[in-house]
Amino acid sequence: TQLLEQSPQFLSIQEGENLTVYCNSSSVFSSLQWYRQEPGEGPVLLVTVVTGGEVKKLKRLTFQFGDARKDSSLHITAAQPGDTGLYLCAGAGSGGSNYKLTFGKGTLLTVNP
Amino acid sequence: DSGVTQTPKHLITATGQRVTLRCSPRSGDLSVYWYQQSLDQGLQFLIQYYNGEERAKGNILERFSAQQFPDLHSELNLSSLELGDSALYFCASSVGAGLAGVGVEQFFGPGTRLTVL
Repeated sequence: TQLLEQSPQFLSIQEGENLTVYCNSSSVFSSLQWYRQEPGEGPVLLVTVVTGGEVKKLKRLTFQFGDARKDSSLHITAAQPGDTGLYLCAGAGSGGSNYKLTFGKGTLLTVNP
Repeated sequence: DSGVTQTPKHLITATGQRVTLRCSPRSGDLSVYWYQQSLDQGLQFLIQYYNGEERAKGNILERFSAQQFPDLHSELNLSSLELGDSALYFCASSVGAGLAGVGVEQFFGPGTRLTVL
């Protein structure tokens, strides 16, 4: 069974601060996705990383996939209240199970004005 | 708005009952996925259908079943409900069933909140 551990579980910061959240596993994933979920809504895909060592930037968000494709991080620069939400990482397995996503339990981020 | 619709938005029922949750995928998407989200377990994959056929099974209980119809909408049936089945149930859809080496992008609906009393 492939498991994804996310840390920290909760994070409360002030507007303008930087933060990093982590997603770790002992398993190798063919790709990894990051989602953001707001209260009362479904998760929304932010990015997919595929290649080990890959770095992708989405405005103030920087995503990195570990060299061994077992871990990932999300860094937010100058956080804003609109960044508040549950950040979920999800790994796609290798081979025939690559369509099946395994989700971490998420990091609940609160950005205070 | 992801383009995935789910009904009902809220459902309150009693233990032992049976309910049906409905999902309409985005136009053109052939795959439908069902997930259960609870505070302690997080988002758990239940089952996937692709163009009417079951494609993959996750942690789905025997009391639960699903199907995808010719018009591609899907239903998740939950029977003999227990208190522990109270959760958010999400449907997601994607164009294909997955490409080798790349995780398929899934679009999630707004969810159905099920409360079992």
